[in-house]
Amino acid sequence: AQTVTQSQPEMSVQEAETVTLSCTYDTSESDYYLFWYKQPPSRQMILVIRQEAYKQQNATENRFSVNFQKAAKSFSLKISDSQLGDAAMYFCAYRRTGANSKLTFGKGITLSVRP
Amino acid sequence: DVKVTQSSRYLVKRTGEKVFLECVQDMDHENMFWYRQDPGLGLRLIYFSYDVKMKEKGDIPEGYSVSREKKERFSLILESASTNQTSMYLCASSNTGYEKLFFGSGTQLSVL
Repeated sequence: AQTVTQSQPEMSVQEAETVTLSCTYDTSESDYYLFWYKQPPSRQMILVIRQEAYKQQNATENRFSVNFQKAAKSFSLKISDSQLGDAAMYFCAYRRTGANSKLTFGKGITLSVRP
Repeated sequence: DVKVTQSSRYLVKRTGEKVFLECVQDMDHENMFWYRQDPGLGLRLIYFSYDVKMKEKGDIPEGYSVSREKKERFSLILESASTNQTSMYLCASSNTGYEKLFFGSGTQLSVL
């Protein structure tokens, strides 16, 4: 069974600084997708970034980028120029390719941003 | 603007009551999901549906059932609510391509 591990329950970053959130996963599949979702205090989960395992290039979305290390099964999220609105819970998630496959989430990490 | 709407933001029920949590999406998505979110445990999948009248068990289906009679609506049913079902329940939907999930705002259920 696939597992997603986020070992840090909480992190804090100074506004305008850079922070990296860690995630590791375990799978025997070679083709899959990885995601980072954000859950602000409003509870509305939104997709931050998505990575296809077959792509070697790391995904980026504005201030958000990932460091995808397939061999190490590591998928970290880097937030640059942190803003107060980045304060939220962040969940790493995994899904193998194929129809009807389910999304498996990690336990999440709470990120606080200090002004 | 795309939307996944959960019928209640907060709900308080008594032990043994039958509870219905409703979810409606307006994006014509094939896939719909029910997750449970608990502190320190992340999101755990209860049930999902990839078509009308179709359902699949997730990781923690015990004590729950679901209904999907129409494409836009996916209901989670607690046949006899228990205190250990006090939790945040999140509904989500996605298209067949499954590029991303769209989530509702969650229902915080308290069973007393």
